[in-house]
Amino acid sequence: QQQVKQSPQSLIVQKGGISIINCAYENTAFDYFPWYQQFPGKGPALLIAIRPDVSEKKEGRFTISFNKSAKQFSLHIMDSQPGDSATYFCAARRGADGLTFGKGTHLIIQP
Amino acid sequence: DGGITQSPKYLFRKEGQNVTLSCEQNLNHDAMYWYRQDPGQGLRLIYYSQIVNDFQKGDIAEGYSVSREKKESFPLTVTSAQKNPTAFYLCASSMSGGNTEAFFGQGTRLTVV
Repeated sequence: QQQVKQSPQSLIVQKGGISIINCAYENTAFDYFPWYQQFPGKGPALLIAIRPDVSEKKEGRFTISFNKSAKQFSLHIMDSQPGDSATYFCAARRGADGLTFGKGTHLIIQP
Repeated sequence: DGGITQSPKYLFRKEGQNVTLSCEQNLNHDAMYWYRQDPGQGLRLIYYSQIVNDFQKGDIAEGYSVSREKKESFPLTVTSAQKNPTAFYLCASSMSGGNTEAFFGQGTRLTVV
């Protein structure tokens, strides 16, 4: 049973465009929703995170939108740059339990 | 520098052998985690520990074992019972309680030869 579903699997965006990645979760006990960025051969690094009592959080060019009733959240990358090309993972967590990850989105920003 | 150190970066193992992956953190975090990453898959939780001398199974614990004798260290042993051990293994740590960032190490790539 996949508790966090992520889409699309891969995404190509032109430089300067908006990259949008979506996730849906099933467990309503999740109370922390981070997004991670991973470059090849490296460990994931936290990009931005949100709690379910907030509908949107913005940090620089990165925004999380959260819809608690629909059990969905999304990552928007504004003014996408070639350096943003990486794999992005959404995740969810209940308390201090381990993170449950989506399967990842391979993002390519074309110059 | 504070952070999480995983060693070795690459590891080769013969079939039927046990192998231990090291994870050390100097962030003074109470909680530590082990994940496995396969191509096209997200990270899957193997084991986690929220306090010294205590740990819990994650989603794919079969064929793995851990210990947590020190706050700074959380080694993972891949046993011969793990049928498909070739993967990228990632260790993470976080402060205790929820809503806290998990910091990841740089990973160990294990290959069975």
